[in-house]
Amino acid sequence: SYELTQPPSVSVSPGQTARITCSGDALPKQYAYWYQQKPGQAPVVVIYKDSERPSGIPERFSGSSSGTTVTLTISGVQAEDEADYYCQSAESGGTYVFGTGTKVTVL
Amino acid sequence: EVQLLESGGGLVQPGGSLRLSCAASGFTFSNYAMSWVRQAPGKGLEWVSGISASGGRTYYADSVKGRFTVSRDSSKNTLYLQMNSLRAEDTAVYYCAKRGDYGDDAGSYWGQGTLVTVSS
Repeated sequence: SYELTQPPSVSVSPGQTARITCSGDALPKQYAYWYQQKPGQAPVVVIYKDSERPSGIPERFSGSSSGTTVTLTISGVQAEDEADYYCQSAESGGTYVFGTGTKVTVL
Repeated sequence: EVQLLESGGGLVQPGGSLRLSCAASGFTFSNYAMSWVRQAPGKGLEWVSGISASGGRTYYADSVKGRFTVSRDSSKNTLYLQMNSLRAEDTAVYYCAKRGDYGDDAGSYWGQGTLVTVSS
């Protein structure tokens, strides 16, 4: 299995832009997915297939991909965006891997 | 409305067994692959196991292969995870998740989880 590496933490002031990276050798060949998890809650998909946004997810959430790195961008961060964020991709053979997780703190 | 309700967690001694259940409603259970994902206290998400919509294909993380068995009963709309030879490092909240609304997602919708504690 392979690893997806994220920064442990990102801090951002309200209204500013938060960028969370996720690096992994298989990312050029596999889509990335992003999950938001708030304390005591189950994860929720905020970005799928690198850059698509599920219905109900605010437009301030966006995703991009370049080579072995994918990026989740939160534009105009709000206090409610404070959470843990995880990237995820599929491995071969029907298995999946999650990134190491990033805690976003809104200052 | 999609609902996933896990049950069966609890305290078990090392080497013991436990069976988790996940009751699904609000969608056609037999049409969807499902996943189990766990989260150790204060740690990140770890994909544990998956099963195809038909139940004919199962998948496991290396960390649980040979000890855990995933299954499903479409007549009961229920997903199971049989966990044997449990270890302290298996202590975690176990989530079941409905897969595939977004392609190769590990879980497009998740239950609230059930806590498994492995300790003597």
